[in-house]
Amino acid sequence: AQSVTQPDIHITVSEGASLELRCNYSYGATPYLFWYVQSPGQGLQLLLKYFSGDTLVQGIKGFEAEFKRSQSSFNLRKPSVHWSDAAEYFCAVGPNNDYKLSFGAGTTVTVRA
Amino acid sequence: DVKVTQSSRYLVKRTGEKVFLECVQDMDHENMFWYRQDPGLGLRLIYFSYDVKMKEKGDIPEGYSVSREKKERFSLILESASTNQTSMYLCASSWTRNSNQPQHFGDGTRLSIL
Repeated sequence: AQSVTQPDIHITVSEGASLELRCNYSYGATPYLFWYVQSPGQGLQLLLKYFSGDTLVQGIKGFEAEFKRSQSSFNLRKPSVHWSDAAEYFCAVGPNNDYKLSFGAGTTVTVRA
Repeated sequence: DVKVTQSSRYLVKRTGEKVFLECVQDMDHENMFWYRQDPGLGLRLIYFSYDVKMKEKGDIPEGYSVSREKKERFSLILESASTNQTSMYLCASSWTRNSNQPQHFGDGTRLSIL
């Protein structure tokens, strides 16, 4: 069975600074990997996904993530955060032959002016 | 654009009541999901449906049941609500069974059981 760890429960970053959110997964083969964002009072929105190929994937809202097989990681980055990026971020992993996603516990991002 | 609509944003019920949470998607998706979201635990899958009248248990099905009589609608039922079912409930849908199809989420129902 797959699992996901997001080591950081809460991150505070200044507006305009860079952001990196960590995600480590456990799975026997190459999984499907996702990052979702949840703004206050809303559901989850897909930021980006990785299935295969180029290990650096671009997403919406200026986010990117890098898959590192050797480290079992899929970290999310943004070069310059905006106040609207304050939200909760979830990493998810899914097997390549079934529907079931496993979600991390989430990282809450606070953006200070 | 995919739209997943959950009928209530906030709901307050009493212990022992039968509670229905409704979810409708407008993209003819095969799959629909119910998750429960709790702080520090992320999202946990309650039930999954891959077709009308078809369902599979997720990780935490105890105390819940589901109904899918039409393709676009997936209902979560709390047969006899208890205080430990106070939570945020999220519905999602996707095209196919394979996890490479992203799941699209509704805005959630925050349920309080008193």
